[in-house]
Amino acid sequence: DAKTTQPTSMDCAEGRAANLPCNHSTISGNEYVYWYRQIHSQGPQYIIHGLKNNETNEMASLIITEDRKSSTLILPHATLRDTAVYYCIVRVEPGTYKYIFGTGTRLKVLA
Amino acid sequence: DSGVTQTPKHLITATGQRVTLRCSPRSGDLSVYWYQQSLDQGLQFLIQYYNGEERAKGNILERFSAQQFPDLHSELNLSSLELGDSALYFCASSARGGAITEAFFGQGTRLTVV
Repeated sequence: DAKTTQPTSMDCAEGRAANLPCNHSTISGNEYVYWYRQIHSQGPQYIIHGLKNNETNEMASLIITEDRKSSTLILPHATLRDTAVYYCIVRVEPGTYKYIFGTGTRLKVLA
Repeated sequence: DSGVTQTPKHLITATGQRVTLRCSPRSGDLSVYWYQQSLDQGLQFLIQYYNGEERAKGNILERFSAQQFPDLHSELNLSSLELGDSALYFCASSARGGAITEAFFGQGTRLTVV
């Protein structure tokens, strides 16, 4: 089964870029990497997803290594409201609809 | 506001009881996912429905069951409740049938079993 590994926690100064890494070395060739975040105990919020190329949207950028074994979510100018748990997600079994969130990275943005 | 509505927001019940959690997906979304989040745990995938049919099953206990109705709302039934079932239960919906891409989550139902 595909799995992801993320640091348990990270701190980032307000206004600076937050770089959140994720290891997904067992990801299958055609599987996407998805990122969600959860602020306090609210419902998780979709951020971005990607397959091979780097992706950018209004919330973040996603950098995927060429071998696709890892990726980095970048919040270019972190604010206090970005304090949350960030989940890197891959599909557990290709061809199914099972997605595992894992325990994520707890990002704390410091004033 | 994600557009996904979950009711009730809070639920307190005794062990051995049965409860029903309700989820109304965003307008037009055909897929509904259910997740369980225990204290300080990640989200555990329970089950997914697409247009009324079960699409995928996760680590859902036999005491739990779910269904999606013709109007696309979904219900998660939890029976013979145990203390360990206390958790946040999230529902998510997406337009697509399979991928969790751009799934929208509700605010959850906090279940406390006493």
